[in-house]
Amino acid sequence: KAGVTQTPRYLIKTRGQQVTLSCSPISGHRSVSWYQQTPGQGLQFLFEYFSETQRNKGNFPGRFSGRQFSNSRSEMNVSTLELGDSALYLCASSLARDREQFFGPGTRLTVL
Amino acid sequence: DAKTTQPPSMDCAEGRAANLPCNHSTISGNEYVYWYRQIHSQGPQYIIHGLKNNETNEMASLIITEDRKSSTLILPHATLRDTAVYYCIVHASYDKVIFGPGTSLSVIP
Repeated sequence: KAGVTQTPRYLIKTRGQQVTLSCSPISGHRSVSWYQQTPGQGLQFLFEYFSETQRNKGNFPGRFSGRQFSNSRSEMNVSTLELGDSALYLCASSLARDREQFFGPGTRLTVL
Repeated sequence: DAKTTQPPSMDCAEGRAANLPCNHSTISGNEYVYWYRQIHSQGPQYIIHGLKNNETNEMASLIITEDRKSSTLILPHATLRDTAVYYCIVHASYDKVIFGPGTSLSVIP
């Protein structure tokens, strides 16, 4: 069974631009969560989607948004990029909301 | 804020058991204890989880105290490939998953 895939793996943007990251969960998994990881703040929860609905949201500004499609694939969008948005963005999927999460390799975003 | 407290770092000799402690004194009855690890620059990897009883799988054992206020992850025979940051998390199905800083385990040859 294929693991969680994230595209692109690496991305370089400039301040003020916007970016869309994509996550394909493991087949059959309905819950998708997104995390931001930086050296200073560690792993921080962004949001969780289940059955196309956002179930939880972390403490991030409205510039960070996401959605989930009917096939459970998910995207996250960051608008008006800031230098501080440079991070590893991780997606995780799970069979259900009370099950273990399986993480993708992440998208490394660099904002110049 | 994270609901768990872990030592920031630990060393373990290769071939010996690595025992990683975690305190979760405010755990609720419906929260599970999960352990993940992250090897440098990779996505975190699920290891094991439990509610009340001790659990064992091919990777590790999880020992949860009777009052559920703390737990220990045991890697029975640590190898160099077990060098990683280990995260202990308590989580209920309806709640967001909060990672703390974890324990950086170094396995020494």
